[in-house]
Amino acid sequence: EPEVTQTPSHQVTQMGQEVILRCVPISNHLYFYWYRQILGQKVEFLVSFYNNEISEKSEIFDDQFSVERPDGSNFTLKIRSTKLEDSAMYFCASIRTGITDTQYFGPGTRLTVL
Amino acid sequence: GDSVTQMEGPVTLSEEAFLTINCTYTATGYPSLFWYVQYPGEGLQLLLKATKADDKGSNKGFEATYRKETTSFHLEKGSVQVSDSAVYFCALIGGSGYSTLTFGKGTMLLVSP
Repeated sequence: EPEVTQTPSHQVTQMGQEVILRCVPISNHLYFYWYRQILGQKVEFLVSFYNNEISEKSEIFDDQFSVERPDGSNFTLKIRSTKLEDSAMYFCASIRTGITDTQYFGPGTRLTVL
Repeated sequence: GDSVTQMEGPVTLSEEAFLTINCTYTATGYPSLFWYVQYPGEGLQLLLKATKADDKGSNKGFEATYRKETTSFHLEKGSVQVSDSAVYFCALIGGSGYSTLTFGKGTMLLVSP
């Protein structure tokens, strides 16, 4: 069964460094998402991406965040200058089409900012 | 904005016990409702969903009914197994017409033999 994959599974970085989290969505899916979960808190929406542009973003997704689909398969989340409070589990998700389609999630990347 | 409230965990049960995890929501419009499950070390997996009032979603012995009058979507299972130990997330989408999921905080379920 096709699945969403994410790399790395765990990333440790120093405050102020740039990180890139990678996701490979399911191949025929058209909408892509990033969510994050700070330890002990809710899973929160960051951004959605469709047709090579951002379609929605939350207030969390400020100028230090960016997303890109550099080729036909990868979908990346870049954090330009990490802060301690960016430490969280980051989940990528994709759907084939339609607002209420099932979102398929990857296993997540745990980001630790020291 | 949209919000989802779940009961606090952990919920600790013995094998074959009855499970209920409460979930209530606030949303504008007519959301679709979901239960996702996260097993240790894995991503979020869809467990079941319901897209309109009075629909019942079911999967792997779990059930939840979309109750518009009480704005609830409680998860139930008649007889839990050790392998059901996981974190369960209630979520909604589409209440305001957007395609983003709004999640509850998650409820950890621990089932002992």
